[in-house]
Amino acid sequence: SQQGEEDPQALSIQEGENATMNCSYKTSINNLQWYRQNSGRGLVHLILIRSNEREKHSGRLRVTLDTSKKSSSLLITASRAADTASYFCATDAPGYALNFGKGTSLLVTP
Amino acid sequence: SAVISQKPSRDICQRGTSLTIQCQVDSQVTMMFWYRQQPGQSLTLIATANQGSEATYESGFVIDKFPISRPNLTFSTLTVSNMSPEDSSIYLCSAQSSSAYEQYFGPGTRLTVT
Repeated sequence: SQQGEEDPQALSIQEGENATMNCSYKTSINNLQWYRQNSGRGLVHLILIRSNEREKHSGRLRVTLDTSKKSSSLLITASRAADTASYFCATDAPGYALNFGKGTSLLVTP
Repeated sequence: SAVISQKPSRDICQRGTSLTIQCQVDSQVTMMFWYRQQPGQSLTLIATANQGSEATYESGFVIDKFPISRPNLTFSTLTVSNMSPEDSSIYLCSAQSSSAYEQYFGPGTRLTVT
């Protein structure tokens, strides 16, 4: 069952701008992971943030987690055309599987 | 991180036939999973592939339709049986080791049933 819900569903920006995507979830989690998917291909793992962490960085990516609001955000700074993809948040489910949100479709135009 | 490969990468199959998808991980992993992603949708967990025992299926998925094997800690197969056009999806396997929480995905198998 899906637990995460990304917002917005679609986002269009120009190269160089920042892109922010949000994810809300319903139940308590241990970890939250963000993935990127290019045009129907496999998922690329971007970053994992644990429930006791508030912020995490990886290159141009910044992830925040607010467990009191059950929400997370993914910020991509200085976006590039190559960042065009769908982005999913995933929360842990029983048995170590993942519950995925519906995803945000990001379009970065030159 | 684990590197995961899947075969085939895509296939077009006729209604009523079966297709077996293979998933190979480059290192031993504790957990392996199979997900389905229908066109324009998010990922839905089909089952957890258990090494040496029967897979654990999610609600709405049954062994007769999606038999899964996991003979060792690096390999698993998913069979889509008696296919119908509604089975047209991307099927992805994933793996997670016991020492880390990150879950890594294969490139997916794009299945079209005609």
